[in-house]
Amino acid sequence: EVQLVETGGGLIQPGGSLRLSCAASGFTVSSNYMSWVRQAPGKGLEWVSVIYSGGSTYYADSVKGRFTISRDNSKNTLYLQMNSLRAEDTAVYYCARQPVGATTPLDYWGQGTLVTVSS
Amino acid sequence: SYVLTQPPSVSVAPGKTARITCGGNNIGSKSVHWYQQKPGQAPVLVIYYDSDRPSGIPERFSGSNSGNTATLTISRVEAGDEADYYCQVWDSSSDHPRVFGGGTKLTVL
Repeated sequence: EVQLVETGGGLIQPGGSLRLSCAASGFTVSSNYMSWVRQAPGKGLEWVSVIYSGGSTYYADSVKGRFTISRDNSKNTLYLQMNSLRAEDTAVYYCARQPVGATTPLDYWGQGTLVTVSS
Repeated sequence: SYVLTQPPSVSVAPGKTARITCGGNNIGSKSVHWYQQKPGQAPVLVIYYDSDRPSGIPERFSGSNSGNTATLTISRVEAGDEADYYCQVWDSSSDHPRVFGGGTKLTVL
C-alpha cells in the first residue's frame, strides 16, 4: 500500500528555517517524480517544487532561491528545506507522487503538515 | 506561464448533473487531471488524462477536454460529492511545469 507521511511543520518566525520530511512506503521515491504542493489557509493548491527520478529539480518562482527539494534514497524519504521564511509561506504542505512521465498525474498525496510563519 | 481558469463555485441539487469547467489556451492539446478535496483532507485524484478514472472512483465521475475547455462532469450528484475540485496540467514549455486551476467549490443544495 502506498503511503506518504509528512512531518516537520510548526510555528517559525519570519526569516527562520524549517525542514519538512515526507516518508514514503509501498513504492520507491527515487523511481518516481516527487512534488511538494502547498495550500495557504482558505486558498487553492499551489505547486512548490518537484524532483525528477534523474535528480533534476524545479521550483515555483515564489520559493526559488529559498527552498531546496532533495531525497534520501536509503531512507526512501523526500525533503523540503525552507529558508528565509515569510508570512506568505504559511500553508499546509503536501508531498505527492507522480509516476515518471512528462504528463502523469499526482496519484498519491500525503496528509499534509502545517507551517505557520509568524512572530 | 500557463493559466487555468475555474468558476469559484457551482451549485447542484442532489441527483442532478454537475459540470465544472477548466479553461486554458488550447487546453485540448494538454492532458488534464482533476482532484477532489474535502474539508480538512488531502486532495484525491478523481480523473486523469482528461477522462480516465482511478480505481475506486465512481463511474458517476467523468471528464472531457477539447478546444479551450476541459470539463469534469459528476452525474447523479450525492451529498458526499460536496468538495473543492481542482484541474491541473503540465506545461512542458515552462520552467514551472505544474499548474493548478484556482479551484471550484461544489455545493450540493
